[in-house]
Amino acid sequence: GQNIDQPTEMTATEGAIVQINCTYQTSGFNGLFWYQQHAGEAPTFLSYNVLDGLEEKGRFSSFLSRSKGYSYLLLKELQMKDSASYLCAVRDSNYQLIWGAGTKLIIKP
Amino acid sequence: GAVVSQHPSRVICKSGTSVKIECRSLDFQATTMFWYRQFPKQSLMLMATSNEGSKATYEQGVEKDKFLINHASLTLSTLTVTSAHPEDSSFYICSAEDTERQASSPLHFGNGTRLTVT
Repeated sequence: GQNIDQPTEMTATEGAIVQINCTYQTSGFNGLFWYQQHAGEAPTFLSYNVLDGLEEKGRFSSFLSRSKGYSYLLLKELQMKDSASYLCAVRDSNYQLIWGAGTKLIIKP
Repeated sequence: GAVVSQHPSRVICKSGTSVKIECRSLDFQATTMFWYRQFPKQSLMLMATSNEGSKATYEQGVEKDKFLINHASLTLSTLTVTSAHPEDSSFYICSAEDTERQASSPLHFGNGTRLTVT
């Protein structure tokens, strides 16, 4: 079956750095997405990786290793507004999106 | 950027009634729209894939007669929850893909509908 694993919850301090990991086993691979979702709101797109390596976008970076079935989202200079759930999703060989359960990130002052 | 409008954002209805949720792509054409349901502290669960001009494809365990989907145009899909019951209370989110999508194209989500059935 297809499976995406993320930690359920993480806590970090304002101004610090946090890394959220995602491992996947899917039937085929056509890219990996990271989304941010605040409570009661729809997800918003953060990043897309299809090749190995690091993609940087301001305070957020996303890394992919296809051979390891592994990705991480790195958030720097954490702000209180970064408190949210972070969803990892993989597009499989049928171009369907397989979603992880999300990681709830709690930022403390 | 691409915008998807979902309406209503919040609805409270009595058990046994039906509720219609609309999802519109405002600045692009969407051959395919997706309907998700999300229970508290859980991930998105795909309910069905809505294709313009054809029948929707429902995920296993989702009752097609209870969750009626209509995708009459390239910019509008509707989900009707028929004979709603309290266990149908959830957060329903639609998303749309641009007809010119590529593998790298992200889904564009509506703002969701919070349904409460009393």
